Amino acid sequence: GAVVSQHPSRVICKSGTSVKIECRSLDFQATTMFWYRQFPKKSLMLMATSNEGSKATYEQGVEKDKFLINHASLTLSTLTVTSAHPEDSSFYICSARDRGAPAEQYFGPGTRLTVT
Amino acid sequence: KQEVTQIPAALSVPEGENLVLNCSFTDSAIYNLQWFRQDPGKGLTSLLLIQSSQREQTSGRLNASLDKSSGRSTLYIAASQPGDSATYLCAVVAAGTASKLTFGTGTRLQVTL
Repeated sequence: GAVVSQHPSRVICKSGTSVKIECRSLDFQATTMFWYRQFPKKSLMLMATSNEGSKATYEQGVEKDKFLINHASLTLSTLTVTSAHPEDSSFYICSARDRGAPAEQYFGPGTRLTVT
Repeated sequence: KQEVTQIPAALSVPEGENLVLNCSFTDSAIYNLQWFRQDPGKGLTSLLLIQSSQREQTSGRLNASLDKSSGRSTLYIAASQPGDSATYLCAVVAAGTASKLTFGTGTRLQVTL
């Protein structure tokens, strides 16, 4: 089956530093990847849509200069949280849409970010 | 703006019971609806996907139905097991939104021995 990985699974960083999270599709090509944020006991909220070779499309209220997204290849998208603050602490999940089966999205295992 | 609601928010049942989880959405113009399972601190596992033209999908002990006109979907779990304990999320892709999923609030299920 389609597998999506995320790295790291957990990260703790200090306020003011930047953190990069990777999302990889391991056995399929993903022209589109999505980045979600999930607060404790809440549902997932879409942050941005990442398209290979072009700029990401951000949802309303999401700061594009704070959450930098790069989708440089058909199997890798990265989310960089710049100048992180404690309120950025959250669970970040990516998903990838299979180029060959565009109706489905496959989700990564998530990254727990804690900013101290 | 599409809104997705799930009822109940939490549910506890004894092992062996059949149960139904509910999902409702405000805009019936959807492309598909998907049910996911999420274990604590983990990512999502897709359970069932129903296209807008379909009325139900089945996988093992799971059966999902879709009534697009009334904006409702149900997930039926037969003969529940402790391993079914997790949070169940439904999500819809609105027509013309390039596969963007809008998630429901989730139902936290606990199946007790």
